[in-house]
Amino acid sequence: GNSVTQMEGPVTLSEEAFLTINCTYTATGYPSLFWYVQYPGEGLQLLLKATKADDKGSNKGFEATYRKETTSFHLEKGSVQVSDSAVYFCALTYSSASKIIFGSGTRLSIRP
Amino acid sequence: GAGVSQSPSNKVTEKGKDVELRCDPISGHTALYWYRQSLGQGLEFLIYFQGNSAPDKSGLPSDRFSAERTGGSVSTLTIQRTQQEDSAVYLCASSLTMGVTSGNEKLFFGSGTQLSVL
Repeated sequence: GNSVTQMEGPVTLSEEAFLTINCTYTATGYPSLFWYVQYPGEGLQLLLKATKADDKGSNKGFEATYRKETTSFHLEKGSVQVSDSAVYFCALTYSSASKIIFGSGTRLSIRP
Repeated sequence: GAGVSQSPSNKVTEKGKDVELRCDPISGHTALYWYRQSLGQGLEFLIYFQGNSAPDKSGLPSDRFSAERTGGSVSTLTIQRTQQEDSAVYLCASSLTMGVTSGNEKLFFGSGTQLSVL
């Protein structure tokens, strides 16, 4: 079936470090891919998305490239800040679906 | 309203009791979703509404779970005879239409209801 697998957390980094959170997916056809973020005490919100192969989604310094050959959508940021501390969810949907399928989430903590 | 509103924000109940969780989606959003977030688990899809009908309720874990939506707006998730394994954060989300499946829209989430079954 369709699913999303992302690296387990927690991930702890120092401020200004480089971030990668891995995400791979299993899906039939050509899904759309998303990263959602949940800041402490807030609801999930869309961070970025990519709707077709080789597309790059970007927002707030974060980037992720839709790689069909490796079925991946890894999240990267060149220099993280304390304010990036949150839980990050990789997700997918596809044309015949009525829902978004989420991964298990990766908690990121950035220390000053 | 300005965002998706859920109530209560926290609910503690005894095993065997029934609970009702409420979701007020963003005004005008026709699609509404319920998800469950258990400790250490991802978001588990429960049910999807388009207007007042539920074309996909495949994620409801058992017949103790039910949901309804009235007036194309407010939705209520009801859990009967609660069990300890029902303890989780129940999240509601809405989107303008069903465009979420094409990737052209995004889901707007509420802050959730933390349910604890003792």
